[in-house]
Amino acid sequence: QKEVEQDPGPLSVPEGAIVSLNCTYSNSAFQYFMWYRQYSRKGPELLMYTYSSGNKEDGRFTAQVDKSSKYISLFIRDSQPSDSATYLCAMTTQGAQKLVFGQGTRLTINP
Amino acid sequence: KAGVTQTPRYLIKTRGQQVTLSCSPISGHRSVSWYQQTPGQGLQFLFEYFSETQRNKGNFPGRFSGRQFSNSRSEMNVSTLELGDSALYLCASSEGSSYNEQFFGPGTRLTVL
Repeated sequence: QKEVEQDPGPLSVPEGAIVSLNCTYSNSAFQYFMWYRQYSRKGPELLMYTYSSGNKEDGRFTAQVDKSSKYISLFIRDSQPSDSATYLCAMTTQGAQKLVFGQGTRLTINP
Repeated sequence: KAGVTQTPRYLIKTRGQQVTLSCSPISGHRSVSWYQQTPGQGLQFLFEYFSETQRNKGNFPGRFSGRQFSNSRSEMNVSTLELGDSALYLCASSEGSSYNEQFFGPGTRLTVL
């Protein structure tokens, strides 16, 4: 079993929809949680960064962490075709630089 | 600030050869991490360097090695290339303290024939 599980999709939604992306994990030592967006043939781009449990909002993006359930989510409101990409969750422990990634979810927003 | 840069962007090698990839981190960042990305395994951590010292290492064979220079630039080397080494190799930099935000470069696409 992988330390971080993420549904690879693909996920296809109409423009303007609310998108929900999720990851589960098994290592209770994880304390830092990130979401990256990766366009085809590009490197991952950091979208959201959260420490421990709670919510964080940045524009159309909201990240949620529930450490008791070992579950993290990314919500995208008013989705745009330019949001079409692969979304990767990543996490790490206190003081560590080693990120453990989910498989990534391929998302397509249809105009 | 300029982002993370990686050279070369594309590389084609044959089995048995060796290859060296280069990474220049964001100015002021002292930590450089390397990752391998493949369709089957996703993104996997190779190793991390901080102040010219390897601080963390992933589960890869000894054919994969790296180093960091005094200006924080880093190189990774893969010796005796195998077909399975074909992948996107990504470099990420961070300040290196307990604050862990990592910023990725565009990657080097390695194809082994």
